[in-house]
Amino acid sequence: EDKVVQSPLSLVVHEGDTVTLNCSYEVTNFRSLLWYKQEKKAPTFLFMLTSSGIEKKSGRLSSILDKKELFSILNITATQTGDSAVYLCAVVVISNFGNEKLTFGTGTRLTIIP
Amino acid sequence: DSGVTQTPKHLITATGQRVTLRCSPRSGDLSVYWYQQSLDQGLQFLIQYYNGEERAKGNILERFSAQQFPDLHSELNLSSLELGDSALYFCASSPKGTGFDEQYFGPGTRLTVT
Repeated sequence: EDKVVQSPLSLVVHEGDTVTLNCSYEVTNFRSLLWYKQEKKAPTFLFMLTSSGIEKKSGRLSSILDKKELFSILNITATQTGDSAVYLCAVVVISNFGNEKLTFGTGTRLTIIP
Repeated sequence: DSGVTQTPKHLITATGQRVTLRCSPRSGDLSVYWYQQSLDQGLQFLIQYYNGEERAKGNILERFSAQQFPDLHSELNLSSLELGDSALYFCASSPKGTGFDEQYFGPGTRLTVT
């Protein structure tokens, strides 16, 4: 069974701090890894990673994938209160039937204190 | 506002009943995805349709079914409802036929089974 594990489950930091969120996975037929941000509503897409060692960056957020060690990290620098959210990691695999399937981790709840 | 609409916003029903959730994708998007988010299971991918045909299948129960109509709106049918089906059901749309990166999520339908 495919597994995606995120750590920590929750994190509370002060505004301006840098945080690192972790996502490890055990899946068969890996295709890609995605990060989402979920505030009080629907998830919003952040990054898709398919290759090891290539950093994806968007403003203060960045992410990288290690396909050998089967994990990804999401970094947020100079955190702001608007970064408070649940961050979800998900892995896309190719199923036995040849189609794609998405498995989510449980998420990391990040709280930024002003 | 993502441009994806879901109706109804809230639904309360009893165990054993059947309900239909509706999703209208963004103009021009051919793919519709359905997700379930519950406290127990987290966020789960259920199924994807592309231009009327099933394209990818996740952890969708046999009691659940979906379809996409010629006008591209989609419906998720949940039958023989159980207490554990209480969840937030999201629909997302995409212009792509494969992949999960470029998705636009709707606001969700909150289903409560009593």
